Amino acid sequence: AQKVTQAQTEISVVEKEDVTLDCVYETRDTTYYLFWYKQPPSGELVFLIRRNSFDEQNEISGRYSWNFQKSTSSFNFTITASQVVDSAVYFCALRPNSGGYQKVTFGTGTKLQVIP
Amino acid sequence: EPEVTQTPSHQVTQMGQEVILRCVPISNHLYFYWYRQILGQKVEFLVSFYNNEISEKSEIFDDQFSVERPDGSNFTLKIRSTKLEDSAMYFCAGVQGFGDSPLHFGNGTRLTVT
Repeated sequence: AQKVTQAQTEISVVEKEDVTLDCVYETRDTTYYLFWYKQPPSGELVFLIRRNSFDEQNEISGRYSWNFQKSTSSFNFTITASQVVDSAVYFCALRPNSGGYQKVTFGTGTKLQVIP
Repeated sequence: EPEVTQTPSHQVTQMGQEVILRCVPISNHLYFYWYRQILGQKVEFLVSFYNNEISEKSEIFDDQFSVERPDGSNFTLKIRSTKLEDSAMYFCAGVQGFGDSPLHFGNGTRLTVT
């Protein structure tokens, strides 16, 4: 069974501040994939970033960066120089790679409010 | 860019009625899913569908629910005898294949059971 924990329920930051969203996961699979999704107030789920379990290299993509640490089962997501349009609920998600295309398990989400 | 299309965007129904939520996945996707999100809560897996069969379902997906892909394009979720607690946003999703391909979600159908 898989589990994704997002301990931060809500975060408020002032525009232009950096913000890090935490994600901790549990899985028995040795190979798996991690994702971050954004759900703006309009309600759709938008894919942001992904990471494979066998690649712990952290990356930056524009204002987004992520820190994957297999030793602590964490996959944290950072937004640099936050903007009001970043206000949304952010979901961390996990998919094991144990044959076929397994279901994606979502965390409970972190609501980010960026204050102008 | 191709999109997953869901209809209707909002469905209001009375308790006990049957509803059918419709989804048109992206044409080259192979695996299809329904997820549910009760207002303000987490996104919950309902069912996955591959090769015209259910491949996995959650404990939420009981006999009240069914899915089918009758014509090779539309992917439907039927909820029989709706209950108040079925009120939620229902998301259809698809994925092209294996690896780290992310799920592509539709915009959702908000189901309100009164």
